[in-house]
Amino acid sequence: LAKTTQPISMDSYEGQEVNITCSHNNIATNDYITWYQQFPSQGPRFIIQGYKTKVTNEVASLFIPADRKSSTLSLPRVSLSDTAVYYCLVGDQGGGYQKVTFGTGTKLQVIP
Amino acid sequence: EPEVTQTPSHQVTQMGQEVILRCVPISNHLYFYWYRQILGQKVEFLVSFYNNEISEKSEIFDDQFSVERPDGSNFTLKIRSTKLEDSAMYFCASSEALREQYFGPGTRLTVT
Repeated sequence: LAKTTQPISMDSYEGQEVNITCSHNNIATNDYITWYQQFPSQGPRFIIQGYKTKVTNEVASLFIPADRKSSTLSLPRVSLSDTAVYYCLVGDQGGGYQKVTFGTGTKLQVIP
Repeated sequence: EPEVTQTPSHQVTQMGQEVILRCVPISNHLYFYWYRQILGQKVEFLVSFYNNEISEKSEIFDDQFSVERPDGSNFTLKIRSTKLEDSAMYFCASSEALREQYFGPGTRLTVT
């Protein structure tokens, strides 16, 4: 399984755009990149998933360069409620199941 | 919006006792998972389940653990003889296909 590396923590002011980068140098051909958000004492919540280039939904954007060895989650205009831990996951989608390994995540603190 | 539910929200048990944690996945989902998160640590994959059998399991998921889908809606995790180190949040997740997983709110297991 591809190992991921992301910053342990980040601070941002309300209203700013936040970019969290994840390194996954050993990503395999079949792997997708998925980001989850977790609030304290809650289960992780899916944010966005991509394979290459750029993906955007109503919550975030995900930028993946051509070599796929890293990815960047972009949260536009964060609010206090975006304070959470953000996990970058790289998962093998073969075999009828999805093996995913959560890393330590990035703890985002949004400051008023 | 459909969601994964888990019961109970909090379970306290004595060391050596058996516990069963229950989950109701989203109704049209085919892939089911259990994870655990020890307080302050990362989310750890335990097992995935598809087509009424285990697809993948981690080294944590030893003979003390078992999973079952006893009917068309429930998905259970059984720990046969609980140990102190089994104290954690246990999250159930489900997915429709080999993409994003939807997590439940978790069951906090406390072993005394």
